Amino acid sequence: QLHLRESGPEVVKPSETLSLTCSVSGGYISSPGYYWGWIRQPPGRGLEWIASVDRTGSTYYNPSLESRVTISLDKSNNYLSLRMSSVTATDTAVYYCARRPHGSSSGFDYWGRGTPVNVSS
Amino acid sequence: QSVLTQPPSVSGAPGQRVTISCTGSSSNIGADYDVHWYQQLPGTAPKLLIYGNTNRASGVPDRFSGSKSGTSASLAITGLQPEDEADYYCQSYDRSLSGYVFGPGTKVTVL
Repeated sequence: QLHLRESGPEVVKPSETLSLTCSVSGGYISSPGYYWGWIRQPPGRGLEWIASVDRTGSTYYNPSLESRVTISLDKSNNYLSLRMSSVTATDTAVYYCARRPHGSSSGFDYWGRGTPVNVSS
Repeated sequence: QSVLTQPPSVSGAPGQRVTISCTGSSSNIGADYDVHWYQQLPGTAPKLLIYGNTNRASGVPDRFSGSKSGTSASLAITGLQPEDEADYYCQSYDRSLSGYVFGPGTKVTVL
């Protein structure tokens, strides 16, 4: 059974860079046929896709966040990462990592439990 | 402001049928991109419910069903159960935005 677990700081100061990791167990991020991504949910609000990456390193970003975000894979250690620069209070959210199989008919089928991030001085 | 619209809330008594609509445009659902549905129970991560418009994810009861027509999609819950009380989100791809988009979510209340 695939298991994803997010980790990172609970509090980040405004203008700083947020770094999150998602550890994957029960499967390999280097396996063909999947995208790995980040999705966030501000308190009391809906879901927002941030970015996705596949095993070749091809990256896909939400255009509204692309200038501040970097997603990457560490295949040796089986985890994915997210870096978000110049954070503001609007970046306060629960951040989820998730897997999506290739193909337009696939949704995000495995999710981590999420990690809360509060941007505050 | 999401490019997919959903009703903020729907409610029904146990055993009843409820439907949740997800309305998009020619840039997403109407462009033949598939719609997926997620259930989010309070305090938990979203869970894939329906993928590819009509397919139930593994372990999902058959009282959940999805459909799509034109620029809209729907999630139906027949025989509503107390444990179905949750937030439900639709998701698709938008070619104008070049990315995945989610609806704002619909809260289902079991009366």
